[in-house]
Amino acid sequence: DVKVTQSSRYLVKRTGEKVFLECVQDMDHENMFWYRQDPGLGLRLIYFSYDVKMKEKGDIPEGYSVSREKKERFSLILESASTNQTSMYLCASSRTTSGNTIYFGEGSWLTVV
Amino acid sequence: GNSVTQMEGPVTLSEEAFLTINCTYTATGYPSLFWYVQYPGEGLQLLLKATKADDKGSNKGFEATYRKETTSFHLEKGSVQVSDSAVYFCACGSSNTGKLIFGQGTTLQVKP
Repeated sequence: DVKVTQSSRYLVKRTGEKVFLECVQDMDHENMFWYRQDPGLGLRLIYFSYDVKMKEKGDIPEGYSVSREKKERFSLILESASTNQTSMYLCASSRTTSGNTIYFGEGSWLTVV
Repeated sequence: GNSVTQMEGPVTLSEEAFLTINCTYTATGYPSLFWYVQYPGEGLQLLLKATKADDKGSNKGFEATYRKETTSFHLEKGSVQVSDSAVYFCACGSSNTGKLIFGQGTTLQVKP
């Protein structure tokens, strides 16, 4: 089974803090993704990466950055957390392009106070 | 770009009722189509998928048929159970990348 592991299930951070969300996949997938999930808005793509050190902006990249130094690990960084970044963050991975199945982690609930 | 529209929820049904959750998409080319399910407190799991027109995806009693002429991928189940209570997401795969575009999700609540 594909395993996508997010390091933290629940985090509470203060406004202005730098936040790291870590994600590891164990299936040697080329593609990795960070989505944000909010009620009524579904999932929105923040960033994705199709190879080590490669990244592309998704639909809502403002306020976020990412890092992919190793193929299995994809980190989401909030440089200066704000209350409007309180949300559920979902990491995902997939093997190839052209619509192959995406596998999700369990999600990280981030609250910024 | 691609987009996905799902019927609004929440949908509340009695056990053994018939379920339909509508999904339509806008896309260029021939995208793959997916239904994902999210149980309370968990991440998303793939429920079923279809990769070309007229394909039918099926799993756990759920079905959806890729209808290119109506750009739809409606989810159906003949007899729902309480354990089917979850949020269901329709998604459309980009024909050029590995990205998925998701609908807003539909919450299903099944009562005994």
